Amino acid sequence: SQKIEQNSEALNIQEGKTATLTCNYTNYSPAYLQWYRQDPGRGPVFLLLIRENEKEKRKERLKVTFDTTLKQSLFHITASQPADSATYLCALGSGTASKLTFGTGTRLQVTL
Amino acid sequence: DAGVIQSPRHEVTEMGQEVTLRCKPISGHDYLFWYRQTMMRGLELLIYFNNNVPIDDSGMPEDRFSAKMPNASFSTLKIQPSEPRDSAVYFCASNLLAGGRNEQFFGPGTRLTVL
Repeated sequence: SQKIEQNSEALNIQEGKTATLTCNYTNYSPAYLQWYRQDPGRGPVFLLLIRENEKEKRKERLKVTFDTTLKQSLFHITASQPADSATYLCALGSGTASKLTFGTGTRLQVTL
Repeated sequence: DAGVIQSPRHEVTEMGQEVTLRCKPISGHDYLFWYRQTMMRGLELLIYFNNNVPIDDSGMPEDRFSAKMPNASFSTLKIQPSEPRDSAVYFCASNLLAGGRNEQFFGPGTRLTVL
C-alpha cells in the first residue's frame, strides 16, 4: 500500500540555522509533491509545489528538492525564525486527478 | 474572497446523535475535498467532488458517513449515528485544477467531540 513517511519527532533548531525536513514515500509514483504549513487550530496552507521532472524549487527562504529515484523530498528553511515554528506536511499527487495524499507531518520548533 | 468557510467550528455531541458539518468552498473552485485529521492517522481524505459530483469516496470509513454537494457553493458531511472514535478535526478544502498548481485551500476545520 502507499506510504508517506515524515519524521514524527519534533525538530528543534536554533534561530538562524537551516531546518531540513524529510518526506519519504513507497509504492507511489507521484507526478508532483507539495509542502504545506499548519499552525495549531488552523487548516494547512500551501507553500510550494515541485513536479517529478524538477530537481529543486526555491521560494524566498524555502527550498524543496525531489528525488524520484530515492523516493524522497527534502524541505529546507534557511535563516529560520521563531515564526517558522509550525507543523509541515508533505503531500503527493498524481498527474490527472486533483487528489492529494498527505504525510503525517513534522513539527518544527525554532528557538531563540 | 473569505476563503473556505466551515461551520460549526466546534461540535460536541453524544454517541448515537446525528452530526452535520457544513462547508462553503471558494467561489469558482471546481474541486471540494473532505478530510479528517487525528494525531494517530494524520490528515486522511474522506471524499472529493468535481463540479458537484462525487469522484472518490473510498476514504469514507463506513456507511455511517455520507457527503453531499447540492450546488457549487455548499457541501455537507453527515455522520449518523456518531461514535466516540469519530472524534477528530474535519477539514474542507477546495481548489481550481485549471490553475496549474493544484493548490488546495483549507477551511479552519470543525473540531468534533463525540462523548
